[in-house]
Amino acid sequence: DTGVSQDPRHKITKRGQNVTFRCDPISEHNRLYWYRQTLGQGPEFLTYFQNEAQLEKSRLLSDRFSAERPKGSFSTLEIQRTEQGDSAMYLCASSFGGQPQHFGDGTRLSIL
Amino acid sequence: GENVEQHPSTLSVQEGDSAVIKCTYSDSASNYFPWYKQELGKRPQLIIDIRSNVGEKKDQRIAVTLNKTAKHFSLHITETQPEDSAVYFCAASTPTKGTALIFGKGTTLSVSS
Repeated sequence: DTGVSQDPRHKITKRGQNVTFRCDPISEHNRLYWYRQTLGQGPEFLTYFQNEAQLEKSRLLSDRFSAERPKGSFSTLEIQRTEQGDSAMYLCASSFGGQPQHFGDGTRLSIL
Repeated sequence: GENVEQHPSTLSVQEGDSAVIKCTYSDSASNYFPWYKQELGKRPQLIIDIRSNVGEKKDQRIAVTLNKTAKHFSLHITETQPEDSAVYFCAASTPTKGTALIFGKGTTLSVSS
């Protein structure tokens, strides 16, 4: 499968813990996006990379969130000191230039 | 920033009927409008998209129309089938500027046989 892959698929953690998610985009896609989706809502933009540069961050991305794409390939999204409100599906998407974005299956985060 | 409104939030049709979902956007600079289908527990999947230099695009039973002046675009599904049942999201962006997709809140389409 050469689509966008995300790991893990599910993450259950206690409030206050740190979590890290990984996204592997489609090969040669230079753009990578992170979105968050809660039940009954559309995906909400969090942050965007072009190659290794983080070019845009949403106001939704608090100081507890950090994302990296160190070599312009895979990306990680870390949430520090998780809160109940962080429970959501975290989706990654990639594209080449202005071409359509393709999504991964997401990581479902549950905060106990 | 961009804001996308989507209507209706739920839509129930009989198999074989047509379904229409409408979206409006606020940023006149937006020039790319995709539609995604999301089945329960699965990833959003692109089903059709349109760019601002085109007024209409068709792909078999699916079509999208765009009215730039009114800043609205619509998804049309003809001859609906039970497997069309899913949540549909419209979105808008300016990909040449690398901007992210701004999504509507989704329409839950139910096709009954």
